[in-house]
Amino acid sequence: EVQLVESGGGLVQPGGSLRLSCVASGFTFGSYWMSWVRQAPGKGLEWVASIKQDGTEEYYVDSVRGRFTISRDNAAYSLSLQINSLRAEDTAMYYCARYRTGSTVDFDYWGQGTLVTVSS
Amino acid sequence: QSALTQPPSASGSPGQSVTISCTGTSSDVGGYNYVSWYQQHPGKAPKVMIYEVSKRPSGVPDRFFGSKSGNTASLTVSGLQAEDEADYYCSSYAGSNNHVFGTGTKVTVL
Repeated sequence: EVQLVESGGGLVQPGGSLRLSCVASGFTFGSYWMSWVRQAPGKGLEWVASIKQDGTEEYYVDSVRGRFTISRDNAAYSLSLQINSLRAEDTAMYYCARYRTGSTVDFDYWGQGTLVTVSS
Repeated sequence: QSALTQPPSASGSPGQSVTISCTGTSSDVGGYNYVSWYQQHPGKAPKVMIYEVSKRPSGVPDRFFGSKSGNTASLTVSGLQAEDEADYYCSSYAGSNNHVFGTGTKVTVL
């Protein structure tokens, strides 16, 4: 059974940093593109970042480029998101998502999310 | 990249059909056959219902039908059931490894 379990969220002050993690199981992690998608409270979904199977390509939404860094450790079946210079508008549930086999455009499995709250 | 436009709400009685629209531009919906639809129940993670405009993943009932015309994609849910009550989001590839989601539609089963 495919599972994605996120952790690392919490309450952080504006300008602060957090590192989110997603541990995968039930599939060959290194064979899939992976992504982070976020959802602000009561709002819609927003794609944040994606990373290629071997970590050699990374892509970001404009609003986080330069502040967020996506990375992966295929040996540890782990996906990470380093988030720096946090702003109030970064407050959201952050989901780890797996791209469908052979795809870089849609997701077939999602984790349950980890909540990041940016507030003083 | 602006969010795709969806109606805030849609509703239907059990057994009826409901159609949700998702309007973008020629740079996203209209430019690629890479529209997907996600169902999200309150407090839960999204679940893919349709990918590549009209393909259903295994396990998704054939009551869910996706289509596209020009810059607008649509999701039709026929034979509405109580468990279909949820938020639905469209998503489209937008070029240069970017994705854009829709604003979301709350489907209510009356």
